[in-house]
Amino acid sequence: DAGVTQSPTHLIKTRGQHVTLRCSPISGHKSVSWYQQVLGQGPQFIFQYYEKEERGRGNFPDRFSARQFPNYSSELNVNALLLGDSALYLCASSLGGGAAYNEQFFGPGTRLTVL
Amino acid sequence: SQQGEEDPQALSIQEGENATMNCSYKTSINNLQWYRQNSGRGLVHLILIRSNEREKHSGRLRVTLDTSKKSSSLLITASRAADTASYFCATDRSNAGKSTFGDGTTLTVKP
Repeated sequence: DAGVTQSPTHLIKTRGQHVTLRCSPISGHKSVSWYQQVLGQGPQFIFQYYEKEERGRGNFPDRFSARQFPNYSSELNVNALLLGDSALYLCASSLGGGAAYNEQFFGPGTRLTVL
Repeated sequence: SQQGEEDPQALSIQEGENATMNCSYKTSINNLQWYRQNSGRGLVHLILIRSNEREKHSGRLRVTLDTSKKSSSLLITASRAADTASYFCATDRSNAGKSTFGDGTTLTVKP
């Protein structure tokens, strides 16, 4: 079975632009979470989606938004890009729902560089 | 601020030695997970330990959890050069999917 996939692998944008990152979860997983990892730090939680509904949001500005589609894939959108948005964006999938102890499985990430 | 903190920040050992990394956190948790990351790529899930568990093993990995001290440790026995990576602990207060990570321990295993 394929793991979590993310696209694109790398992306270069300029300040003020917007970006869309995509994630496909492991087959059978209904929960998708997004994390931002700045160089030298641990990942920071941005969003969690389950069954197409937002179930959690981290401490990120409204420029960040996401959605989940009926096939459980997800998009992360960032508007009005700032230099500080340069980071590795990680997507993770888990079973979600009533499972009390869900292991998260991460994709390879999208490296976003804002110039 | 991050919930978890790993200690030490960096660790350098010889192949064959054991490596121990520690993680402390601040609030009550549902579970704690350890991950490995190679060269800024995606995280590889190593072990999940539940809040009602005290120890868990997986191959050369041993994880302990002390909820009274709000701490966990990851032991890698008989280390190999391929174990060179950054190791992160992540805590979940509810179910997984909203994890809080520390800043990791960078492990270097010299051949």
